Amino acid sequence: DAGVTQSPTHLIKTRGQQVTLRCSPKSGHDTVSWYQQALGQGPQFIFQYYEEEERQRGNFPDRFSGHQFPNYSSELNVNALLLGDSALYLCASSLIRKNYGYTFGSGTRLTVV
Amino acid sequence: AQSVTQLDSQVPVFEEAPVELRCNYSSSVSVYLFWYVQYPNQGLQLLLKYLSGSTLVKGINGFEAEFNKSQTSFHLRKPSVHISDTAEYFCAVSDRSGNTPLVFGKGTRLSVIA
Repeated sequence: DAGVTQSPTHLIKTRGQQVTLRCSPKSGHDTVSWYQQALGQGPQFIFQYYEEEERQRGNFPDRFSGHQFPNYSSELNVNALLLGDSALYLCASSLIRKNYGYTFGSGTRLTVV
Repeated sequence: AQSVTQLDSQVPVFEEAPVELRCNYSSSVSVYLFWYVQYPNQGLQLLLKYLSGSTLVKGINGFEAEFNKSQTSFHLRKPSVHISDTAEYFCAVSDRSGNTPLVFGKGTRLSVIA
């Protein structure tokens, strides 16, 4: 049973660059949420996608954007990277009608230098 | 909006001793409650969740939690910990309507000492 798959697992970017992170949801799930987890902190909600549209958004600047594809997979894009964007980015998938069944991926560790 | 407070940032405990990790939440609506565990350099794994019914919830790896509505708490317990339980533990809450996302506490670092 394939769970949530995220790629890449690690990457290093330079300040000002742009990055794209990818997420494939668990089979049967239709909703994808993205979280940012800074070192020593709990995950912070970035946004959620359902039916290829952003459904909810947390307190993150417009530099953070996303997309959901017809096969339910999703991308997180971050423009004009700052040192403070260094974090573990977690993707969680779920069913829209069952908002208590989140499955998390292993995350992408982004380091901005 | 919901919020979660994990009262202890670090909890050291000797192997085979009992442990309790505390979690309090704030919400104006009915909620679902969760505990997740995160091992180093890994994602989040669900330990247990409270949806409805019995306030005592049993999860994986011998953990259990008790929902206390009057005290707005959802404390996690294990009667006897193992070295392998060393990890970061996160309490989380979501509202039943699905109109708000899963909200996490800042985490509690459980360190089991041999």
